[in-house]
Amino acid sequence: DIQMTQSPSSVSASVGDTVTITCRASQDISSWLAWYQQKPGKAPKLLVYLASRLQSGVPSRFSGSGSGTDFTLTITSLQPEDFATYYCQQANSFPLTFGPGTKVDIK
Amino acid sequence: EVQLVESGGGLVQPGGSLRLSCPASGFIFSSHWMTWVRQAPGKGLEWVANINQDGSDTYYVESVKGRFTISRDNVKNSLYLQMNSLRAEDTAIYYCAPWSDSGGWFDTWGQGTLVSVSS
Repeated sequence: DIQMTQSPSSVSASVGDTVTITCRASQDISSWLAWYQQKPGKAPKLLVYLASRLQSGVPSRFSGSGSGTDFTLTITSLQPEDFATYYCQQANSFPLTFGPGTKVDIK
Repeated sequence: EVQLVESGGGLVQPGGSLRLSCPASGFIFSSHWMTWVRQAPGKGLEWVANINQDGSDTYYVESVKGRFTISRDNVKNSLYLQMNSLRAEDTAIYYCAPWSDSGGWFDTWGQGTLVSVSS
C-alpha cells in the first residue's frame, strides 16, 4: 500500500500570509495526486488534481506542484475562508489513500 | 446539478449489519466508477471501497474485506454498501462519490450518513 504523509500537521497563519503544505508518497505516484479542503461538518472539496491542475471554480491563490513522491499545495494571500483542514490523496493504485491532514488555523 | 444522497446510517450494536444507499442524479451514473469514503469522528478521510461501471470489479480497504460489499444498480442509479459484522472502529460518516472524469479523485460528494457502532 502507498502511505501518504503530510507536513506540517497544523499551521497557524494570518490573513494575507502564504502557506505551503507538503505531501509525500511512500513510492512513485507520478502525478496521480489530489488535494482537498474540508471545513468542519462539511464534505471535502476538491481543489487540485493531477498534482497541479486547479479544479474549476477554485481561486487561483491555490496551486499545486510536484511529481513522483513529493508534492506541495501553496495558498498565497490566505483569506478568512481558507482556514480549514487540507488533505492529499493518491490515485495511483488501490487502496486509494489519503494523507493525515493539515489544519490551517488563525494565528 | 449533481446530487448524491446517502442514507441508511444509524446506531447499531457490534456484530450488527447496515446497508447504506446512495441514489445519484445529475450525471451519467453508469459511466462512472463509484466510491465510498469514510471519516471517523475527529479523524481523517479513509477510502473504503470502489466499484467499476458495470459492477464487475470491486476493491476494498483491508480492514473491511470480507465484511463489507459494495454494489450498484445502474437502472436505479444507486450505489450501495452492505456492512456486516460491524465493529466500533467502523463508526464514521460514510460518503459516496463518483470518480472524476480525469481520474481517481472526487469532485462531487454527498452530505454523508453517520454510522455509529456501539453497545
